[in-house]
Amino acid sequence: EAGVTQFPSHSVIEKGQTVTLRCDPISGHDNLYWYRRVMGKEIKFLLHFVKESKQDESGMPNNRFLAERTGGTYSTLKVQPAELEDSGVYFCASSQPGTSAYNEQFFGPGTRLTVL
Amino acid sequence: AQSVTQPDIHITVSEGASLELRCNYSYGATPYLFWYVQSPGQGLQLLLKYFSGDTLVQGIKGFEAEFKRSQSSFNLRKPSVHWSDAAEYFCAVGRVQGGKLIFGQGTELSVKP
Repeated sequence: EAGVTQFPSHSVIEKGQTVTLRCDPISGHDNLYWYRRVMGKEIKFLLHFVKESKQDESGMPNNRFLAERTGGTYSTLKVQPAELEDSGVYFCASSQPGTSAYNEQFFGPGTRLTVL
Repeated sequence: AQSVTQPDIHITVSEGASLELRCNYSYGATPYLFWYVQSPGQGLQLLLKYFSGDTLVQGIKGFEAEFKRSQSSFNLRKPSVHWSDAAEYFCAVGRVQGGKLIFGQGTELSVKP
């Protein structure tokens, strides 16, 4: 069974440009999470989808970040326009139906975003 | 506010030596506690988790962790470290509802021959 996949693995863009990150969760996993790790800091929660609905977006830094999950399958996270402080590793995770932390979250390898 | 502290940013141990990684949490209720490991180029992998019951939990790869409510700690241990254990380790706390995880800063483990 395929795990959580993320694309691209690396992205280098200039400040002011737009970048879109993609996450494909494990098939059948209703829950999809986005996290971010800025260099030297802890991994921080961004948002949580249950199917195509945003369950919790309390961690989204500002309105330059837009997450979607059309059809409840894959998800995209768009940053527009990108700023220097957006650099970091963006992780996606998915878990089976049920919104408790009891359900193990399976993580993708992350997308390393560098904004110059 | 909920938080997780991993006091050690980097630890080096000799192969075959024992290991203990520290984790302290701040949480209003009984937490769900997790340890994840990330090897280079890989995603985070769950080592073990604690929800309730026996405070000593066993995980994969020979790891165990002990929940101590009085100390708000959930330290990770391994009796004998292997070179393949070199990785970054993350402690996390989660809620009963919502699924969101709060992570510590991570501890990078180096293993010397």
